[in-house]
Amino acid sequence: GENVEQHPSTLSVQEGDSAVIKCTYSDSASNYFPWYKQELGKRPQLIIDIRSNVGEKKDQRIAVTLNKTAKHFSLHITETQPEDSAVYFCAASYGGSQGNLIFGKGTKLSVKP
Amino acid sequence: DSGVTQTPKHLITATGQRVTLRCSPRSGDLSVYWYQQSLDQGLQFLIQYYNGEERAKGNILERFSAQQFPDLHSELNLSSLELGDSALYFCASGRSQGANNYGYTFGSGTRLTVV
Repeated sequence: GENVEQHPSTLSVQEGDSAVIKCTYSDSASNYFPWYKQELGKRPQLIIDIRSNVGEKKDQRIAVTLNKTAKHFSLHITETQPEDSAVYFCAASYGGSQGNLIFGKGTKLSVKP
Repeated sequence: DSGVTQTPKHLITATGQRVTLRCSPRSGDLSVYWYQQSLDQGLQFLIQYYNGEERAKGNILERFSAQQFPDLHSELNLSSLELGDSALYFCASGRSQGANNYGYTFGSGTRLTVV
């Protein structure tokens, strides 16, 4: 069945460094790829998303890239800050027009001051 | 406020009991998804409803059931509770229009503690 693999499961960086989280998906029909940030004890929140007709999207310090041929997409965070510490989930759409998402297992990002 | 309302926020109950978690989706969203998140774990998909009908099932135990009502709010029923059922339960609502997927909006969750 459909699957999204996410790496790494944990990531520790120094404040100011960049962080990259990578995901691969299996359903070639997937056309929507959101990223969610979950702070401890809180709900996952959408931070950025990309559609299959775009190769890259940026929003201030975060960016997402998509390689449809290889079926992988990545989240890039530059100039990391302690408040970026959280669990990040990638997701890919599946199931046609129903709008369903399948999630990766998450990456716990720790930014050390 | 995400627009997705979950009640109660916290629930403490004893083993063997039954509880009901409630979710009201964001206005205009027809899909409701339920997820279970145990400590330091990922999002385990339980079940999806779309406009009142069950559409997809994930790793939902037979002791758990759900429904979506005509006003689109949904309830997740957990029975014969065990210690291992202690977790955060999230509801998410979603929408899509044709080929355009707009992702999910999550509620704040219900923290269930079984003692």
